[in-house]
Amino acid sequence: AQSVTQLGSHVSVSEGALVLLRCNYSSSVPPYLFWYVQYPNQGLQLLLKYTSAATLVKGINGFEAEFKKSETSFHLTKPSAHMSDAAEYFCAVSDPGGSYIPTFGRGTSLIVHP
Amino acid sequence: ETGVTQSPTHLIKTRGQQVTLRCSSQSGHNTVSWYQQALGQGPQFIFQYYREEENGRGNFPPRFSGLQFPNYSSELNVNALELDDSALYLCASSVTSGRTDTQYFGPGTRLTVL
Repeated sequence: AQSVTQLGSHVSVSEGALVLLRCNYSSSVPPYLFWYVQYPNQGLQLLLKYTSAATLVKGINGFEAEFKKSETSFHLTKPSAHMSDAAEYFCAVSDPGGSYIPTFGRGTSLIVHP
Repeated sequence: ETGVTQSPTHLIKTRGQQVTLRCSSQSGHNTVSWYQQALGQGPQFIFQYYREEENGRGNFPPRFSGLQFPNYSSELNVNALELDDSALYLCASSVTSGRTDTQYFGPGTRLTVL
């Protein structure tokens, strides 16, 4: 069984500061990993995905994430936070060899202060 | 805007009733997935339909059922509603059922069961 753990239900940063949202996964096989963003009253939007190619994945809106097998991590970063980045962020994992049933983390709420 | 629409936006039902939620997929997408997102939680996979047939199911009882139509719109039906069914229900469409295909989410239907 796969699972993801998102450390910190809330992360607060100042505008212009580094954003770091943590995600650790558990999987018996090399997984596929995803980060999604959810703005208030909207559905989820894919930010980026890792599918066993390059370990550093660049996504939309200036976000990127690095797959680190040794640490079983897939942390999401952005060099400089904007007010518009305030949202809920979800990490998800799926098994490349199985049926497509993604498992989502509980989410991290990003708060950006002016 | 993802091109995926859901109706209704909000719905209030009482315990024991039945409900039908609707999703219109993005044009050209033949796969739709449904998720349940309880308050403060990540989305949980309910099932996926590919070309009008169920193509995978999460850990949900049979009273959760679905349909996908030839135009690739779909329905989620829930019978014998329980209080714990209160949640945001999301549908997501993708071009195929491939494991790395990007899913495009609708804004969701907020179901409240009293």
